[in-house]
Amino acid sequence: ELKVEQNPLFLSMQEGKNYTIYCNYSTTSDRLYWYRQDPGKSLESLFVLLSNGAVKQEGRLMASLDTKARLSTLHITAAVHDLSATYFCAVEPSGGSNYKLTFGKGTLLTVNP
Amino acid sequence: NAGVTQTPKFRILKIGQSMTLQCTQDMNHNYMYWYRQDPGMGLKLIYYSVGAGITDKGEVPNGYNVSRSTTEDFPLRLELAAPSQTSVYFCASRSGNYGYTFGSGTRLTVV
Repeated sequence: ELKVEQNPLFLSMQEGKNYTIYCNYSTTSDRLYWYRQDPGKSLESLFVLLSNGAVKQEGRLMASLDTKARLSTLHITAAVHDLSATYFCAVEPSGGSNYKLTFGKGTLLTVNP
Repeated sequence: NAGVTQTPKFRILKIGQSMTLQCTQDMNHNYMYWYRQDPGMGLKLIYYSVGAGITDKGEVPNGYNVSRSTTEDFPLRLELAAPSQTSVYFCASRSGNYGYTFGSGTRLTVV
């Protein structure tokens, strides 16, 4: 059974600071997804990481994937209040057409002025 | 394109009642999914479908049923609603280039 662990689950940051959210998973996977969710809203796709060593950046967010370590990171640079949200990683297992996502519990990020 | 459309957005059910959550996608995706989201627990897969006429259980299928008679529609049926089914339900579909599209969600309360 695929398990996905995120940490931290709660993160309170000051504006302008940097921080990293970690996503570990338990079985082989080449495909990892990061989503953002605002309160009462649906999931917004941030990044899709499809291979070992993949790195993607959008604004103040950068995601990377190390399939050998079964680890993905979401790095936040110079945080601003607008980044306050819950961030989820989700993993799609390798092999065949086993297309279904297993989610981490999410990281609630609060950016304080 | 409307993407993935879920109805209703909100619903209150009494214990023992039944209801169907509707999900429609207009992107011709073969794969469709139902997830539930409970506070602090992430999303858990209830059922999924790899195409019309084919469905399979996810991690938490008990108390739910699905059908997939067309590519577009993937309704989720709750029989004999229980308080434990109070949750937010998301329908999703998957494209061939790895992208998932989520609906706006249905907030269900069972009292």
